[in-house]
Amino acid sequence: NAGVTQTPKFQVLKTGQSMTLQCAQDMNHEYMSWYRQDPGMGLRLIHYSVGAGITDQGEVPNGYNVSRSTTEDFPLRLLSAAPSQTSVYFCASAPGSIFDEQYFGPGTRLTVT
Amino acid sequence: QQPVQSPQAVILREGEDAVINCSSSKALYSVHWYRQKHGEAPVFLMILLKGGEQKGHEKISASFNEKKQQSSLYLTASQLSYSGTYFCGTRHGGATNKLIFGTGTLLAVQP
Repeated sequence: NAGVTQTPKFQVLKTGQSMTLQCAQDMNHEYMSWYRQDPGMGLRLIHYSVGAGITDQGEVPNGYNVSRSTTEDFPLRLLSAAPSQTSVYFCASAPGSIFDEQYFGPGTRLTVT
Repeated sequence: QQPVQSPQAVILREGEDAVINCSSSKALYSVHWYRQKHGEAPVFLMILLKGGEQKGHEKISASFNEKKQQSSLYLTASQLSYSGTYFCGTRHGGATNKLIFGTGTLLAVQP
């Protein structure tokens, strides 16, 4: 199993550009989530999904969209990038629910200039 | 609301013990502990559930005080490999699927 994979590893965007961060897992996990990590702020939940077709907002959802059309994939879309979205983004998955251990992907480092 | 972790940072010598605390102003349903090494993804350590159930590593111990709304992670006889940032995540109800993380505790173990 590859586990949780994220692409790209690094990305530089200009203000106003849009892009999609990809996240995939091959463990047939129901629960998937996106976090952003900024220095001194810890991990902040952006969006999460409890299964295909079901998504919900986390702590900091503004400026981001998600969809979950398959169990495996959970892409994160930045609609119009802003410098405040410069961060490291982690995708995670768990077998059933948030009761379970979350497996994190390697992260995407995004810089918005 | 983000849980508060203390201390913010701690430096140990190999073999020493440490306690990392996580507290919340809201009632806790479960507390989740993760460790992140520099430049890597967070890795699961333990989940403590309301009612006393625990899931996680056998070599890691933790407590969950529901009345005080806090949890503590106990690192005994520390090894160099224990170095990293420790995060607690809190869940505030059985129906919620949101896990809210604290800002982390940096642990450095020196030879």
